Amino acid sequence: DTGVSQNPRHKITKRGQNVTFRCDPISEHNRLYWYRQTLGQGPEFLTYFQNEAQLEKSRLLSDRFSAERPKGSFSTLEIQRTEQGDSAMYLCASSLDKSSYEQYFGPGTRLTVT
Amino acid sequence: DAKTTQPTSMDCAEGRAANLPCNHSTISGNEYVYWYRQIHSQGPQYIIHGLKNNETNEMASLIITEDRKSSTLILPHATLRDTAVYYCIVTNAGNMLTFGGGTRLMVKP
Repeated sequence: DTGVSQNPRHKITKRGQNVTFRCDPISEHNRLYWYRQTLGQGPEFLTYFQNEAQLEKSRLLSDRFSAERPKGSFSTLEIQRTEQGDSAMYLCASSLDKSSYEQYFGPGTRLTVT
Repeated sequence: DAKTTQPTSMDCAEGRAANLPCNHSTISGNEYVYWYRQIHSQGPQYIIHGLKNNETNEMASLIITEDRKSSTLILPHATLRDTAVYYCIVTNAGNMLTFGGGTRLMVKP
């Protein structure tokens, strides 16, 4: 088991472009979470999935953001019409199920919007 | 989720115990205390969690006061690799994590 993986690790894009990030959770983990972290701050929750169902979305997740987990395995996070304020580290975490205490985090995708 | 308060930063000498405090006076009866840490440029890493009793694992010990309004994370013999931001989080199992500012621990030789 190699842990949670995220791709790409770094992404530089121009304002107005669309970007998509991928997260591969630990196999057999039913829950998958997305967080965003700006410089000097703690991570902020964006959304989470139980299998393929998206159960909760933060108010931070504007309509330019969409997340999917089509077969309950990997997940994608898309940002449309990126803005400079979207520059952040996007972190993915997974846990075994709804009663799990521990979330396992990936290394993150660092997005820079120029 | 209950709010937590932690000191912004702390120093610790290598080889000594690091004691990181956290206040969570509004914790409710079924909420757990979790500790995560984040080493520079990495994702957060789970350390330990507890409900009422003190807990110990291979990484750390967690001491929770009897009224559950505060807790202390203890790293018994801090090493340079323990330099990180430590987050105290109060929530139910399976919930999303609400990170505050955390405590920046600097372990010095």
